[in-house]
Amino acid sequence: GAGVSQSPSNKVTEKGKDVELRCDPISGHTALYWYRQSLGQGLEFLIYFQGNSAPDKSGLPSDRFSAERTGGSVSTLTIQRTQQEDSAVYFCASSLGSRTRNEQFFGPGTRLTVL
Amino acid sequence: AQSVTQLGSHVSVSEGALVLLRCNYSSSVPPYLFWYVQYPNQGLQLLLKYTTGATLVKGINGFEAEFKKSETSFHLTKPSAHMSDAAEYFCAVSVNTGFQKLVFGTGTRLLVSP
Repeated sequence: GAGVSQSPSNKVTEKGKDVELRCDPISGHTALYWYRQSLGQGLEFLIYFQGNSAPDKSGLPSDRFSAERTGGSVSTLTIQRTQQEDSAVYFCASSLGSRTRNEQFFGPGTRLTVL
Repeated sequence: AQSVTQLGSHVSVSEGALVLLRCNYSSSVPPYLFWYVQYPNQGLQLLLKYTTGATLVKGINGFEAEFKKSETSFHLTKPSAHMSDAAEYFCAVSVNTGFQKLVFGTGTRLLVSP
């Protein structure tokens, strides 16, 4: 079956521009996570959605970052006024639920380059 | 706060040799521990996980890991490396926040030579 998909796969933007990254989770998965992987680093948690509950935004690095999840399915991560330090690979993951036994399935990522 | 340390950003082995990737964790509560593999230009794939029970955990592709509380370790091993095992491996711990918030190590790139 279809896995987690993300678009675009690559995005190059100029400093100061806004970008939107899209995630399509696996159908039926109620939990959705965003992570980012900066060069040479492990993945860093950004935000978590579970069903229709308020998201956990504790990992967002600044107020330039926001995310929404429409209809409990597709999610969009928006970065406003991009900075060079925002350059990273942004991963989306989804799982059947939020418990530890529920495996997170990761998408292929969006590579963001801010010039 | 929970954290993960992976010793060695790169590990090189010959095909057929033992693979040992090291992971140490810090956690104030009983941890849930994970190993993920990332192939080039792909997302992460779960290799194995420890939650409770048996401390030796077997995963996919012949990998296994042993949870050692006294050493705060969760090292990943495979008896005989294959060329196809070349990838980046991440150890992660689940933070006790009510959902599966993962804290990742910085990764170890495994290189396998013929």
